[in-house]
Amino acid sequence: AQSVSQHNHHVILSEAASLELGCNYSYGGTVNLFWYVQYPGQHLQLLLKYFSGDPLVKGIKGFEAEFIKSKFSFNLRKPSVQWSDTAEYFCAVNNNAGNMLTFGGGTRLMVKP
Amino acid sequence: DTAVSQTPKYLVTQMGNDKSIKCEQNLGHDTMYWYKQDSKKFLKIMFSYNNKELIINETVPNRFSPKSPDKAHLNLHINSLELGDSAVYFCASSQAGGENTIYFGEGSWLTVV
Repeated sequence: AQSVSQHNHHVILSEAASLELGCNYSYGGTVNLFWYVQYPGQHLQLLLKYFSGDPLVKGIKGFEAEFIKSKFSFNLRKPSVQWSDTAEYFCAVNNNAGNMLTFGGGTRLMVKP
Repeated sequence: DTAVSQTPKYLVTQMGNDKSIKCEQNLGHDTMYWYKQDSKKFLKIMFSYNNKELIINETVPNRFSPKSPDKAHLNLHINSLELGDSAVYFCASSQAGGENTIYFGEGSWLTVV
């Protein structure tokens, strides 16, 4: 079975600070990796995804993530956060069959203006 | 046009009642899902359907019964509602295959009193 862990449950940053959210997964086969964002009161939206190729993936709103296979990690980064980045961030992994997207527990990010 | 739409958005009901949440996607996807997000924001898959056939049933009580009349619709019926059923239920859809993005609906906030 696949599992995902996000180590930071709550992160508080000031605007312009750099962000890195940790994500580690456990799965024996080929995986596809995703980061979703959920703004307060809204549904999940895709930030970025990795399924093959360049392990450094760029997403929307200046976010990027790096897949490090040897560490089973897919950390999310942003060089300079904004107040509008305040949201819940979810890392997720899917197997190649694609029918079992498994989420981590989420990281709540608060950016102080 | 909303890609994945679910109704109702808010539902407050008494224990013991039976209720349904409807979901429709206009993306032409083959696969649809129901996810449950609890009060701690933890997201867990409940069901996955591919071309109207049940693929995944993740140890969900049999009070929860999904129905897929066609591949664009996946409704969730819940019998004998319990307090612990209070959560946000997200419908989602995707093309088959793990590298494909899963698109989420806006959620249905269910409160059982």
